[in-house]
Amino acid sequence: QVHLVQSGAEVKKPGASVKVSCKASGYTFIAYYMHWVRQAPGQGLEWMGWINPNSGGTNFAQKFQGRVTMTRDTSISTAYMELSRLTSDDTAVYYCVRSYTTGERNYWGQGTLVTVSS
Amino acid sequence: QSVLTQPPSVSGAPGQRVTISCTGSSSNIGAGYDVNWYQQLPGTAPKLLIYGNSNRPSGVPDRFSGSKSGTSASLAITGFQAEDEADYYCHSYDNRLGGSWVFGGGTKLTVL
Repeated sequence: QVHLVQSGAEVKKPGASVKVSCKASGYTFIAYYMHWVRQAPGQGLEWMGWINPNSGGTNFAQKFQGRVTMTRDTSISTAYMELSRLTSDDTAVYYCVRSYTTGERNYWGQGTLVTVSS
Repeated sequence: QSVLTQPPSVSGAPGQRVTISCTGSSSNIGAGYDVNWYQQLPGTAPKLLIYGNSNRPSGVPDRFSGSKSGTSASLAITGFQAEDEADYYCHSYDNRLGGSWVFGGGTKLTVL
C-alpha cells in the first residue's frame, strides 16, 4: 500500500530555511506528481506547489514563488520541499500529497510541523 | 479568499441529514475535475472522506456521500453523529496558472 513518511518537526529562526523530506513507498515514485500543502494553526489548507518526479519540473503557487524549491531523489523515492526566508507566518504543518488521476484517490504524508520563532 | 467557497459553519441535530456545499468555477469544478472531501478532527491530519466526486475510501462509513453538478459539489452526511463534529474541506484541480490545487476555506460542522 502507498505510504508517505515525512521528516520530523523543525524549529527555525526568522530568516532561516527549512527542508522537509517525504519518502514514498508502495507505488512507482515517478508515476505521480507530488504536491505540498500547508496548514497554519487554526487556518485552512493552502496549496504550495507540485513537482513532477519524473522530469523534475515544478509549478508553485504565486505566493511562494522565489522562496520555495521542490526537488526529488528518484534513487530513494523521496521528494523535498525547501522554504527560505522564513517568517512567523510560515509556522504551519506541511504535508506532502501524492497526486491522482481522474477517479483515483490521493495519499497524504503524516505532516511536518515547522515552527518559526526567535 | 479561497477559490472554492464553503459555508464557514453548519449545524445539525443527531440523526439528521446535513449537507455542506462547495462552489467553484469553470476553471475547476465546472471544468469537470474531480472533487475530494476531507474531514479534519482537532489536532489531526486531514482524512480523505470522498474522492473522485462520490467515491469513499475503504473504512469510510456509507453515511458519507458526495455529489457534483455544474460548478458545485456537496458532501452529505446522513444520520449525523456527535463524532462527526469536525472541520470539512473540499478540494479540486484548477487549470489556470500551469495547473494547481484549490481548496475550500473549510466548514466547521457542529452538533446542535
